Formats: sequence, C-alpha cells, structure tokens
Amino acid sequence: GAVVSQHPSWVICKSGTSVKIECRSLDFQATTMFWYRQFPKQSLMLMATSNEGSKATYEQGVEKDKFLINHASLTLSTLTVTSAHPEDSSFYICSGMTSGRADEQFFGPGTRLTVL
Amino acid sequence: QKEVEQDPGPLSVPEGAIVSLNCTYSNSAFQYFMWYRQYSRKGPELLMYTYSSGNKEDGRFTAQVDKSSKYISLFIRDSQPSDSATYLCAMSGQAGTALIFGKGTTLSVSS
Repeated sequence: GAVVSQHPSWVICKSGTSVKIECRSLDFQATTMFWYRQFPKQSLMLMATSNEGSKATYEQGVEKDKFLINHASLTLSTLTVTSAHPEDSSFYICSGMTSGRADEQFFGPGTRLTVL
Repeated sequence: QKEVEQDPGPLSVPEGAIVSLNCTYSNSAFQYFMWYRQYSRKGPELLMYTYSSGNKEDGRFTAQVDKSSKYISLFIRDSQPSDSATYLCAMSGQAGTALIFGKGTTLSVSS
C-alpha cells in the first residue's frame, strides 16, 4: 500500500497554545484527505474531510475555527489545533485517498497530542 | 444505537487457536467493509476488504459479510503472537467517503 506520514508523532503543549500536525502522502497524490480523532479505547471518529484546493468539510460537533485544516497540495494536509485545551488531548490520524476506491484509503501513523 | 458495534474485548487465546472477531451495524446502505489491524500508538493497517456480501480469504484471514443480518466477521486461523493487536472493523456506503469504525477488539495471542 501507499505511504502516509505524519509529523510530529507526538507533541506535548501547554493549554492555550496552538499545535500544527502535518500529514503527507509520500508516494501518491491524495485528492482527498480525512482527519480522524481517537480517544483511548474508542473508535476512530471522523473530524473532517478535505479536498485539495477546497475548504474542509467538518463533521457535526467539530469546531472549524478550533481545528483548522489546510489541504494546499496533493501531498500535504495540515491540522492546526488552536488554543488547545486538555480535552483536546487525543490521537489524531490522517488518511489519504487517491482513486476513490473504498479500499485505497491509506492511514498515517498518528500523532499523539497531550495538552497540559 | 451506534452505527457500528464491536465488542472491545480483550480477547486472549493460545497460539494456534482460531479467532473470531465480529461487528454488527445498523445502516443498510453500507456496502464496503474493511478490517484493519492497529498496533499500539500506530495508524490502522488494512487487512481485508469486502464489497457487499460474501466471503474473502487471504492466507490465514477470512472475512465474511452477511448484509441480511448486518453482521461481519473476521476469522484468523492458526493465530500467532504477532497477531496480537487491536482489530477494527470499518465500513462505508460509498466509495471515496470516510469510514465508520467500530471501537476495535484487542486480541492477545499467547505462545
């Protein structure tokens, strides 16, 4: 399968600061990228869908002004958690899709965010 | 009722056992069914993919989908300690859309 990287793999920040997470498709062009969030012992929950060059579509209950998503190129999407709070501590995972095939959604390794 | 239900376990089996993992779902529009394996603090890795109903086999893994019962299964034969991980079922109604995941079942295979 294709490779998706995320950076950083883990980050610890103080409450009130902003954190940027990068998601890169290394060997394919991701026309669509998804951002998921996973709390301990919970399933991956979709936060938003982004298409290259378009504004992201956010799921109900996800604040678009708090979780800024930019998908400026076919190989890079970023998620910025603004004014982070302890309840934002979670495992953030991105996935990239190129062809629209259901089985060709490739996941990154995730970013562990801890907000103190 | 959640869209996808999956017993989180944990499930502990001895090496060589046959493992059965299951998910039920409520949305009859789901057509694409996947099983992912996730190791601790890592992203999910696709194991099996099935479109609509039926069975699919790949090595020691068999995926089954029964759309009439809204029930999917993953069987692992001759389980190995390296199979110890969390197994997530996922599904969607349309190709190219985000996946709806189960909570995941944590499996431990002891040698």
